[in-house]
Amino acid sequence: QLQLQESGPGLLKPSETLSLTCTVSGGSIRSSSHYWGWIRQAPGKGLEWIGSIHYSGGTYDNPPLQSRLSISIDTSRNQFSLRLTSVTAADAAVYYCAREGVLGGAWYFDLWGRGTLVSVSS
Amino acid sequence: SSELTQDPAVSVALGQSVRITCRGDSLRDYHATWYQQRPGQAPLLVIYGENNRPSGIPDRFSGSSSGDTASLTIIGAQAEDEAVYYCNSRDNRGNHLRVFGGGTRLTVL
Repeated sequence: QLQLQESGPGLLKPSETLSLTCTVSGGSIRSSSHYWGWIRQAPGKGLEWIGSIHYSGGTYDNPPLQSRLSISIDTSRNQFSLRLTSVTAADAAVYYCAREGVLGGAWYFDLWGRGTLVSVSS
Repeated sequence: SSELTQDPAVSVALGQSVRITCRGDSLRDYHATWYQQRPGQAPLLVIYGENNRPSGIPDRFSGSSSGDTASLTIIGAQAEDEAVYYCNSRDNRGNHLRVFGGGTRLTVL
């Protein structure tokens, strides 16, 4: 059964760069019919889509984050990663990675990691 | 438009039916996806496509849509259905962006 697991530092200082990795196990990340996404949830708030990547390298990013965001994929390691520069307190959240499928042109996140909490404090 | 609007909270008596709605212009073109999130847990996909349930999701959950509004209906709500429900769709401006609604907190009385 395919599983996703986020990893990365839990505490950052303002202006630092957030780097998270999602490791996919129990299946291949090289799926032509799936994207791999990042979603975050600030404390007590709703879900915010960050961006998604295909194993071919194609990406879609949320415009408000685009200037600070980089999403990459390493098919040899079955991992995809998120890099967010110049973090502020507004970036503190639980970060989830998820597999994304498509049906009728509509995307859906069908498998999620457990999430990793990222705090930002000086 | 890239916005999806949900009512912040809805309540339902145990065993009764409830409809949770999601409104947005993109829903005229793309089906909504629905997720359930219990406290401290990752979201769980409950409805995708026109009205598809992943394996393991009870058939009391169903999805529908009309115009710019998508609905998640629970027939015979159970205590374990108490959670926050999020809708999600694709932006319809041709840019492949994804958007989430603000979430609806369902209380089962």
